[in-house]
Amino acid sequence: AQSVTQLDSHVSVSEGTPVLLRCNYSSSYSPSLFWYVQHPNKGLQLLLKYTSAATLVKGINGFEAEFKKSETSFHLTKPSAHMSDAAEYFCVVSGASGTYKYIFGTGTRLKVLA
Amino acid sequence: GAVVSQHPSRVICKSGTSVKIECRSLDFQATTMFWYRQFPKKSLMLMATSNEGSKATYEQGVEKDKFLINHASLTLSTLTVTSAHPEDSSFYICSASLGQGGTEAFFGQGTRLTVV
Repeated sequence: AQSVTQLDSHVSVSEGTPVLLRCNYSSSYSPSLFWYVQHPNKGLQLLLKYTSAATLVKGINGFEAEFKKSETSFHLTKPSAHMSDAAEYFCVVSGASGTYKYIFGTGTRLKVLA
Repeated sequence: GAVVSQHPSRVICKSGTSVKIECRSLDFQATTMFWYRQFPKKSLMLMATSNEGSKATYEQGVEKDKFLINHASLTLSTLTVTSAHPEDSSFYICSASLGQGGTEAFFGQGTRLTVV
């Protein structure tokens, strides 16, 4: 079975400092992995996705993530946080191979301090 | 990217009534759509897989008679919350995929349901 664990429920950073949101996954096959962002009372926006191509994935708004099979990790990073980055972030692994049935992590709330 | 439209974005209904939420794929055909539920400050939980022309597949613990799903066409799936109660208040989100060869699912904007 597939699963994903987001190691931090809350992360606080100062504006202009790096962001690291951690995610570990478990999958019985080569997974597809995603990071989504959700602003308050809004839908989901795809930040980036890994689908067995390059292990370093660049997304929107300066975010990137690196797929590390040996560590079963897919951590999300950004060099410099902006106030507008404050939101809930979800790490997602695809369900059974070939489907789009997503398994969501529990989410990490990012707070950006001025 | 592909667009999925969900309607309404917000709905308030009285306890005991039914509410229908629509999920449309605007520029592609979706043989499969998914319905998720998000409790306040919680993650998204998959409720069911909606299959065009056949019965939906519900996740364990989801009442199929409570949450009726109909996928009448390749671009439309509906979720009807029947005899709604305050505990059904939640954020409901649908997603759809491009099918074979696609690499991701696309999400609707979500529907905030409040049952009073």
